[in-house]
Amino acid sequence: DIQMTQSPSSLSASVGDRVTITCQASQDFSNSLNWYQQRPGKAPKLLIYDTSKLEAGVPSRFSGSGSGTHFTFTISSLQPEDFATYYCQQVFTFGPGTKVDIK
Amino acid sequence: QVQLVESGGGLVKPGGSLRLSCAASGFTFSDYYMTWIRQAPGKGLEWVSYISISSSYTNYADSVKGRFTISRDNAKNSLYLQMSSLRAEDTAIYYCARDREGGATSFDYWGQGTLVTVSS
Repeated sequence: DIQMTQSPSSLSASVGDRVTITCQASQDFSNSLNWYQQRPGKAPKLLIYDTSKLEAGVPSRFSGSGSGTHFTFTISSLQPEDFATYYCQQVFTFGPGTKVDIK
Repeated sequence: QVQLVESGGGLVKPGGSLRLSCAASGFTFSDYYMTWIRQAPGKGLEWVSYISISSSYTNYADSVKGRFTISRDNAKNSLYLQMSSLRAEDTAIYYCARDREGGATSFDYWGQGTLVTVSS
């Protein structure tokens, strides 16, 4: 089974900051890596699929990159509505999540 | 617009059973794999099970294998999860989600979730 690690587990940032989250897979399964946003009390929302493709309707400040076992998710300029928890996912495994809150 | 609406959650005693349903609308249900994903209170996301378009293929997390059964009715645009021998650690919000390309690729639409609480 794939194991996914995310770092950091949490971070505090200000509106306008650039935020980067990394996701590491235990093995290279050459499968798509996806990123989700979950706001408190809400269902997760797909933001990035296939490592770097932006889901329809998702603002372009969100981006993803990476290959092999190392992947990166970036918010170029943090907005108030972006304070949430972010999860990476590959096949049947989700990362443990990164909580982004207000500094 | 795509909508997924779960129902059937509730309080059940350890060892009990429960059947969750997910009603789909706004897309051709029979064109997509479907998935159940759960989230224990205050915890992360855990993939539970998926089912192929024609129900030919199913897959389960080790934590639920042999206790949960996924099924679908394409004529009714509905997805189900039959849960038995429930344990306290099955307590979670259960989400149904559409699988974009099948086989747990990415999950592009989610329901609002239904809460299952296993407690005596």
